[in-house]
Amino acid sequence: GAGVSQSPSNKVTEKGKDVELRCDPISGHTALYWYRQSLGQGLEFLIYFQGNSAPDKSGLPSDRFSAERTGGSVSTLTIQRTQQEDSAVYLCASSPRPSWDTEAFFGQGTRLTVV
Amino acid sequence: SQQGEEDPQALSIQEGENATMNCSYKTSINNLQWYRQNSGRGLVHLILIRSNEREKHSGRLRVTLDTSKKSSSLLITASRAADTASYFCATAIGGSYIPTFGRGTSLIVHP
Repeated sequence: GAGVSQSPSNKVTEKGKDVELRCDPISGHTALYWYRQSLGQGLEFLIYFQGNSAPDKSGLPSDRFSAERTGGSVSTLTIQRTQQEDSAVYLCASSPRPSWDTEAFFGQGTRLTVV
Repeated sequence: SQQGEEDPQALSIQEGENATMNCSYKTSINNLQWYRQNSGRGLVHLILIRSNEREKHSGRLRVTLDTSKKSSSLLITASRAADTASYFCATAIGGSYIPTFGRGTSLIVHP
């Protein structure tokens, strides 16, 4: 594809429900990042995938959050038993190389609202 | 804690003026990147400056890096209303794969 694609672009869910957010990175990009951004705030790192290596999950805020990346391509971020504080824009980015020495390409994000 | 912090948090200028934003960071870095974000959505990469570089230009953008002061600045010359956006710096601690972003500078350019 032309860029990083995220779906859905907007998601409204009821407190306590589970949600899945999808990210399609640029083909061939080995590195994939998930961030979340609360209103007016900076980007909070969630998880990092690199090729077939074990992901860096150090940014996941609780065990309600999990993510996987199948076949080194598409990634899904799952939030179980959503809470109102989970409301944010969830951003995915991919990069052609594992080290942070080249630009990252961001998707347009998924705006999650928990009501 | 934030590795990079932008300053000022908000900047309001008239079209045609220059806009300067600063970024300070805490530990050694391999490179520093600036990104732009429109309307709280995806970020767009603007420029990357490596730790052994002091200045870099791209169109109306000029970025400087002072590793002794652990700071960088982004200058947008002859600003346009379309430059209205939030601007973030991103750094990765030396050897780390995980870039951290500051809270950004919100720039408003009035036509």
